[in-house]
Amino acid sequence: QKEVEQDPGPLSVPEGAIVSLNCTYSNSAFQYFMWYRQYSRKGPELLMYTYSSGNKEDGRFTAQVDKSSKYISLFIRDSQPSDSATYLCAMSDISGGYNKLIFGAGTRLAVHP
Amino acid sequence: GAVVSQHPSRVICKSGTSVKIECRSLDFQATTMFWYRQFPKKSLMLMATSNEGSKATYEQGVEKDKFLINHASLTLSTLTVTSAHPEDSSFYICSAREKQGNQPQHFGDGTRLSIL
Repeated sequence: QKEVEQDPGPLSVPEGAIVSLNCTYSNSAFQYFMWYRQYSRKGPELLMYTYSSGNKEDGRFTAQVDKSSKYISLFIRDSQPSDSATYLCAMSDISGGYNKLIFGAGTRLAVHP
Repeated sequence: GAVVSQHPSRVICKSGTSVKIECRSLDFQATTMFWYRQFPKKSLMLMATSNEGSKATYEQGVEKDKFLINHASLTLSTLTVTSAHPEDSSFYICSAREKQGNQPQHFGDGTRLSIL
């Protein structure tokens, strides 16, 4: 079993839809949680990061962490074609901090007009 | 803020050539920089972690003599792929963390290396 599981998709949605992206993990010691967006042939871009549990909102993006279920989510409201990209979740524990990230495989999202 | 620049973005060269890739933090000082490799439609694989002024720490299975890393300043790290062969063809991405505070990694735009 991988430490971090993420459905690779592709996920295809119409413009304006609410998108839900998810990752599950097995290591209960994970405390740092991140979401990155990666466009084709580009490096990952940091979208959101949280420490421990709870929700965080930034514009159209909301990140949720449910440590009891070992489940994190990224919601995108009013999705736009420019949101079409691969979304990577990443996480780590206290000892690794932001240095030792474990990445999910990435979910490819396509938002069509 | 937190911009990481990587150069070159694309390299095509003959087998046996050594290739140097630069990673710069443009608007912050980076005590720690990281080098990743990414295969098509796969996630990122950490190759090594470099701290300014000290030797890089390589992940298991990564040949340190093959992938030379230098982190000579707080804004620059370099990865040299020595005597590159076709199997070294890949997408190489660097990232950096700010010296101040407990901040996540910020990534460069990657270098696509093709060895003929």
